[in-house]
Parts: sequence; structure tokens; C-alpha cells
Amino acid sequence: DVKVTQSSRYLVKRTGEKVFLECVQDMDHENMFWYRQDPGLGLRLIYFSYDVKMKEKGDIPEGYSVSREKKERFSLILESASTNQTSMYLCASSLLRNQPQHFGDGTRLSIL
Amino acid sequence: AQTVTQSQPEMSVQEAETVTLSCTYDTSENNYYLFWYKQPPSRQMILVIRQEAYKQQNATENRFSVNFQKAAKSFSLKISDSQLGDTAMYFCAFNPPNTGNQFYFGTGTSLTVIP
Repeated sequence: DVKVTQSSRYLVKRTGEKVFLECVQDMDHENMFWYRQDPGLGLRLIYFSYDVKMKEKGDIPEGYSVSREKKERFSLILESASTNQTSMYLCASSLLRNQPQHFGDGTRLSIL
Repeated sequence: AQTVTQSQPEMSVQEAETVTLSCTYDTSENNYYLFWYKQPPSRQMILVIRQEAYKQQNATENRFSVNFQKAAKSFSLKISDSQLGDTAMYFCAFNPPNTGNQFYFGTGTSLTVIP
């Protein structure tokens, strides 16, 4: 089974802090994704990556950046956290286009 | 623009009964994939079922089946013999071609199975 591991289930940070969310997958998947999930809004794509050092903006990239230095790891960075970035963040990976995405457990991030 | 609409924010069903969750999408593409995902309370999102648009036959997975109406751009999920463990958020997702495997998700339907 594919394992997608997010480094924290719960995280509390302060406004203005730089925040790192880490995601690791163990199945040599090409594609990795970061979403945020908010009630009534579903999942919205922040960034995705289809190869090492490659990244593409999703629907809501503002205030975020990403890093993919190794194939198995995809990091989401909040450069200067703000309260409106309080949310559930989900990482996912997939092998090929049109293949199902496999999700991590999510990180519930609170910015105070 | 690719959009996915789930018009039922909340639904409930009696245990052992059948329930249908609705999903519509908007696209000008002809070849694409559709998915239903389940997210139990405080648990991981998992794949329920997958449908390829070029296949006429509706996908089935045990108690879960879809009613795929391509012309109507409709992709509903039917859960038969509902069980308490089916209580979850259900998300419909659309994967168009030529988007680098980008998925578009609906806003979700919260399903409660009542004992």
C-alpha cells in the first residue's frame, strides 16, 4: 500500500512565522500535491509537482511556496503565516496522470 | 474552466438502506477520469471508485456503484446496504486531460448513516 506521511497532525504557529509542512511518500510516485481543505469549499490545490525540482501553481498559490529536492519529499512553505491560512492541509501523491491520488492524514494548522 | 458541483452539503440514510450522492461537472473535454473519495471523521481520504469517461459501463466496487451520464455531465454515487462505517464526507473529483494530473474537487457531501 502507498504510504503518504505528513510530519504533523496538529500545528500551532504565530502570525508572521515561517512555517514548513513536510510530506513524504514511499512509492516512488512522480506527482505530488498540496491542498487546503476548508468547510464548504472542498479541496483547493495550492501547488503540485510532477518531478524533482519541478513545480506548478494550483488555484490558490498566493502566500505559499513549495520545495521538491528529492522525489519522495514535497514541502509546503508559508513564508509569513497569516490567520487566514488557518486550515487543514492535505498532501497527496500519484504515479501517473489519471491514476488515483493517495492522501496523507492531513495537518490541521492554526495560525494565532 | 473546470468545475465540479456537489449540490447536497448534507445527507442521511438509515442503516441498510440505499443512498445516492449527486455530482455534476463542467468540461469541454471528451476524455477524462472521475473519482469518488471518502473522508471518514478525522481520518485519511481514501478512494472509493474510479470511472473512465470513454467507458460506457458504470464502475462498481462492492456496495458502491456510479451512474455516469456523460451527455448530462453527471456522476452520482450509489451506496447500497449502508453501514455505520459509511459515515463520512464524500468528495467527487474530476481529472481532465493535459493538466499534469490535476484534480478538481467538489465541495463535498457529509453523509450520516443512522442506526
